Amino acid sequence: NAGVTQTPKFQVLKTGQSMTLQCAQDMNHEYMSWYRQDPGMGLRLIHYSVGAGITDQGEVPNGYNVSRSTTEDFPLRLLSAAPSQTSVYFCASMGLAGDGTDTQYFGPGTRLTVL
Amino acid sequence: AQKITQTQPGMFVQEKEAVTLDCTYDTSDQSYGLFWYKQPSSGEMIFLIYQGSYDEQNATEGRYSLNFQKARKSANLVISASQLGDSAMYFCAMREGSTGNQFYFGTGTSLTVIP
Repeated sequence: NAGVTQTPKFQVLKTGQSMTLQCAQDMNHEYMSWYRQDPGMGLRLIHYSVGAGITDQGEVPNGYNVSRSTTEDFPLRLLSAAPSQTSVYFCASMGLAGDGTDTQYFGPGTRLTVL
Repeated sequence: AQKITQTQPGMFVQEKEAVTLDCTYDTSDQSYGLFWYKQPSSGEMIFLIYQGSYDEQNATEGRYSLNFQKARKSANLVISASQLGDSAMYFCAMREGSTGNQFYFGTGTSLTVIP
């Protein structure tokens, strides 16, 4: 049982390049999310999904796209990277028992630098 | 307005002493969940404790307890008998509504345990 996995662990991009951050979970969780963590800012929600085919925007969605074709995978796409997207990105997943007690399980993070 | 406020950027505690990390929240929902996560220097996010808005008793998990004061909208984390391994960033988070899909995180408190 691997939990939540993210690849790559580190990435350096040049401004304007595109890339996809991968996230997968093996817990059959309905809910998956992407956060970015910047110094002094805590974690901010980028996009989330409550099931295959369903995605929605979080607090800071601009510059990022997501899709959810399977329960297991939730990739995050940067279409044209900017230095402001330099951050640590976390993917998380959560079951939806419906009583509010579910907590998110986080992946190990991807450290992205945009030059 | 900030949904979650953590006013202590850094805290120090002597080994074996107890420490309280402050968290206040802002919501107009009657149903919500409050969470604490630990982030060691290795970077992973570790779930510590959960408190539901309708829970009458304060949540406890081993050496962690949550001092929940609903009228004050505070959800402070108490760590008893601090250990060197408790040195980490600690984040308070809230999920609004029993089926809310967005988590809001505070900016974190850096705890250092002194031998």
